Amino acid sequence: ETGVTQSPTHLIKTRGQQVTLRCSSQSGHNTVSWYQQALGQGPQFIFQYYREEENGRGNFPPRFSGLQFPNYSSELNVNALELDDSALYLCASTLAGGPEQYFGPGTRLTVT
Amino acid sequence: LAKTTQPISMDSYEGQEVNITCSHNNIATNDYITWYQQFPSQGPRFIIQGYKTKVTNEVASLFIPADRKSSTLSLPRVSLSDTAVYYCLASRRQLTFGSGTQLTVLP
Repeated sequence: ETGVTQSPTHLIKTRGQQVTLRCSSQSGHNTVSWYQQALGQGPQFIFQYYREEENGRGNFPPRFSGLQFPNYSSELNVNALELDDSALYLCASTLAGGPEQYFGPGTRLTVT
Repeated sequence: LAKTTQPISMDSYEGQEVNITCSHNNIATNDYITWYQQFPSQGPRFIIQGYKTKVTNEVASLFIPADRKSSTLSLPRVSLSDTAVYYCLASRRQLTFGSGTQLTVLP
């Protein structure tokens, strides 16, 4: 158990719709990162938040956005869903100064 | 962010020691080398991290030569439950995952 939870577990959306995925991390973990993992591939970095500010971004378009809240929860929002957005979405939190990222179990998003 | 190269797959037998080597030729001075393990439909799990020389914990050892252009993850006496994908990363904050190594442990 990593102490990181994600909801929902599974989600089916239609192309063009919007989706919000949620993550809750451990107390004191002030950095959260989001990753997209397509089937058979390694996780791809989407962005990272530190103390509620975006702190780095991967090669993802602006329709991928996020929020981090003071209670160590965060959201990933994806607008105008495309079929290629179908993937496992992972969030990971880090204790300040620590080397280890603690991953949640992921949300499986299917876009039809 | 440093790119890593590791074997696509490896097979081993229960009880053997497994060594997975990763190449990271353009690793930056402030990059650490980190290994994660991932089972199907689960998030990656931290195994070990090091900067240079050798690091050992209760599950693995990590060997890093002086030039830091490669590293080797050593798993002692693997079991069937060690069958997973293993990722080598040469970064710290914004993790860049490659395709990983699928380790299959056979009985």
